[in-house]
Amino acid sequence: GAGVSQSPSNKVTEKGKDVELRCDPISGHTALYWYRQRLGQGLEFLIYFQGNSAPDKSGLPSDRFSAERTGESVSTLTIQRTQQEDSAVYLCASSFYGYGYTFGSGTRLTVV
Amino acid sequence: AQSVTQLGSHVSVSEGALVLLRCNYSSSVPPYLFWYVQYPNQGLQLLLKYTTGATLVKGINGFEAEFKKSETSFHLTKPSAHMSDAAEYFCAVSLNTGNQFYFGTGTSLTVIP
Repeated sequence: GAGVSQSPSNKVTEKGKDVELRCDPISGHTALYWYRQRLGQGLEFLIYFQGNSAPDKSGLPSDRFSAERTGESVSTLTIQRTQQEDSAVYLCASSFYGYGYTFGSGTRLTVV
Repeated sequence: AQSVTQLGSHVSVSEGALVLLRCNYSSSVPPYLFWYVQYPNQGLQLLLKYTTGATLVKGINGFEAEFKKSETSFHLTKPSAHMSDAAEYFCAVSLNTGNQFYFGTGTSLTVIP
């Protein structure tokens, strides 16, 4: 597609439930990144995929968080047993080996 | 370790006045530097970036930034603020192309009519 697409745009979930967030990168982009933006704060790096290399998971805050990406296509970020502190906007970005770095509009997650 | 500091979480300027948003970074190697803008309920949009070459970088919407290695700074400026410039601005650093970005905490710009 023309841009990075994220779905859903908004998600309200009950504490303790699992959620899946989806990111469709720009076609042909080799790299995909997930960030978290809490209210009033900057962006926190979560995870980075580059082609078929092992992902850089150094930013994942706990083992409740995981992400997958098959090849150079869609990625899903899964949060298990959600907590209220997980409430944030989750942003995805993609690039072609670091060029054309483009962000999606994000998924706003609210845990109630 | 890399980090980015944005001085001033909120900046207000009058319409037509100079915009100056400050960004300082720390990096163990020469960094790549970026400014992004985020309008309400939208994703991040690249304003400008510095990778190599000329240290004064011009971006979209009349913004520019200057990389000053001696000051480890990459401040964003615009000579004359417009109402449409009201948004959140993020400075970011990466070690090279393809690596993850380290973002500052953002500066919210308000433009007063």
